[in-house]
Amino acid sequence: GENVEQHPSTLSVQEGDSAVIKCTYSDSASNYFPWYKQELGKRPQLIIDIRSNVGEKKDQRIAVTLNKTAKHFSLHITETQPEDSAVYFCAYNFGNEKLTFGTGTRLTIIP
Amino acid sequence: GAVVSQHPSRVICKSGTSVKIECRSLDFQATTMFWYRQFPKQSLMLMATSNEGSKATYEQGVEKDKFLINHASLTLSTLTVTSAHPEDSSFYICSARARLAGVQETQYFGPGTRLLVL
Repeated sequence: GENVEQHPSTLSVQEGDSAVIKCTYSDSASNYFPWYKQELGKRPQLIIDIRSNVGEKKDQRIAVTLNKTAKHFSLHITETQPEDSAVYFCAYNFGNEKLTFGTGTRLTIIP
Repeated sequence: GAVVSQHPSRVICKSGTSVKIECRSLDFQATTMFWYRQFPKQSLMLMATSNEGSKATYEQGVEKDKFLINHASLTLSTLTVTSAHPEDSSFYICSARARLAGVQETQYFGPGTRLLVL
């Protein structure tokens, strides 16, 4: 069955520093790895995703890296700002259609 | 593009009643929609996959007779929680799979419906 581990569960970072969240998955057939940001009481928002044909993707302060051999992928946020505070979920596709979500990381940016 | 709406945003009902939640893709057609449930401080748990014109596929442990899903058109899926009980109180979120120009398929989420069963 599908399984994804997400670490850490909580993360506090000084404003301006970088934050890294890592996920490990189990299905070697997975080829799509999105990251979602969810603010309290709101919908998850797709912030970046990566397909298995590349190892890294960057969008301004946000980047995702993928290591298919080790079956893990990471979210990197640089120059963090207070508005980055939220819960972040990794996900990956299972069975080529469904998404399985990680357990979430509560990120707090300390001003 | 890729806007998904959900209605209602919040509902309070009495135990034993049924509640219908609508999920609409506003600016694209979605052959596949997904229904999730999220309890406080937890992750999203997939309940079922809804395909237009066919029966929904439910995840293990989700009662199909309790959570009725209808996907009658390419822009609308509904979830009906039948005979709701307090333990059904949760945040229900739908998502729709979209293939936008130049972008491979991905899922976009509705704003969620917070259900409270008294």
